[in-house]
Amino acid sequence: GIQVEQSPPDLILQEGANSTLRCNFSDSVNNLQWFHQNPWGQLINLFYIPSGTKQNGRLSATTVATERYSLLYISSSQTTDSGVYFCAGRAPGGGADGLTFGKGTHLIIQP
Amino acid sequence: DTAVSQTPKYLVTQMGNDKSIKCEQNLGHDTMYWYKQDSKKFLKIMFSYNNKELIINETVPNRFSPKSPDKAHLNLHINSLELGDSAVYFCASSQTGSLGKLFFGSGTQLSVL
Repeated sequence: GIQVEQSPPDLILQEGANSTLRCNFSDSVNNLQWFHQNPWGQLINLFYIPSGTKQNGRLSATTVATERYSLLYISSSQTTDSGVYFCAGRAPGGGADGLTFGKGTHLIIQP
Repeated sequence: DTAVSQTPKYLVTQMGNDKSIKCEQNLGHDTMYWYKQDSKKFLKIMFSYNNKELIINETVPNRFSPKSPDKAHLNLHINSLELGDSAVYFCASSQTGSLGKLFFGSGTQLSVL
């Protein structure tokens, strides 16, 4: 199966800072998605982004499928952005297979 | 309305017991999943199920079995619980194909004593 590597594993920032989280895949993937797990454990889907760039408020994501990586940008961080950010994908032709997740980036935003 | 709901939120039980976790989705998706999140927050697929096929992660012990009474429900039954089964279990659903955005339930924290 595919391998998913996320970096950095941990990140501590002050409120208002910007950050870039990276996700590398060992092979081609489709169905690439980013998730945020908040401190209460809830997993929220942020982006479905198999290629290209999308923006949602202070968050944006870019996937370069040919180079097998994706980036998540967080601008003007707020304390509510704290939590773990996961990227996940599926190998082409995976059909109903579940997504393979990276180990996550643990983000702490300090006031 | 909650899109993917699972119950119970917390489950504390003794080793050797059998337990079930229920999951329901009202998104009209055709595929449902169970994921296990360990103490290091690693999320691992356990099962994928739609009305055509069940895909089982080969590392999942056969004490775990998914049961789907209909398209909107996928319950997880666990026999002979072991200490190592303690984890958070997430149900999820998506539509297969190119629009397969994944939505998660709120999780069930299972503690085996």
